[in-house]
Amino acid sequence: AQSVAQPEDQVNVAEGNPLTVKCTYSVSGNPYLFWYVQYPNRGLQFLLKYITGDNLVKGSYGFEAEFNKSQTSFHLKKPSALVSDSALYFCAVILREDDKIIFGKGTRLHILP
Amino acid sequence: GAVVSQHPSWVICKSGTSVKIECRSLDFQATTMFWYRQFPKQSLMLMATSNEGSKATYEQGVEKDKFLINHASLTLSTLTVTSAHPEDSSFYICSASSNAYEQYFGPGTRLTVT
Repeated sequence: AQSVAQPEDQVNVAEGNPLTVKCTYSVSGNPYLFWYVQYPNRGLQFLLKYITGDNLVKGSYGFEAEFNKSQTSFHLKKPSALVSDSALYFCAVILREDDKIIFGKGTRLHILP
Repeated sequence: GAVVSQHPSWVICKSGTSVKIECRSLDFQATTMFWYRQFPKQSLMLMATSNEGSKATYEQGVEKDKFLINHASLTLSTLTVTSAHPEDSSFYICSASSNAYEQYFGPGTRLTVT
């Protein structure tokens, strides 16, 4: 079955430290890959996407993600975390053959002041 | 885990007709539901935020008279696409939450308007 895994329910990081939110996928073919952020009581906001090309993708708010085809991973990273980065983060893939979007279950990121 | 269902999963309708899509939280009470539209090979676009018992809040550029959203109970929200046209063909996804820190997605509804 096609799936997206975010193995951590919650990630705690001290402000100023680098952060990583993990995402791996198991789908057929070569999907498009996305990261979204959700702040409390708000809808999803698009952070970044990988379609093709350079494996390192830069997105909004200083976030970046690295596509690793051999490990089927698309981990979200930021060099220096801010308290305002605290939110719920979702990894998603879109299957190229039918445009179906599959979400991970989300990872809650806590940045500690 | 929490489950959100959507019905129908796929619908074809003729231009000018209206289509209703249901979003249900099956095992929890959803105080807030979100409706998204996904264009081919693109990311999601938030259409509106719906809180139980109150009018939906639409994002800028989304026609509220065309995309009618009703959230009449804590387990059901509906999106009605009125007078559908081919350009409304898309994948519509709902999500539901019972608190500010969790959100669960429905499987999506593919609408094709001919």
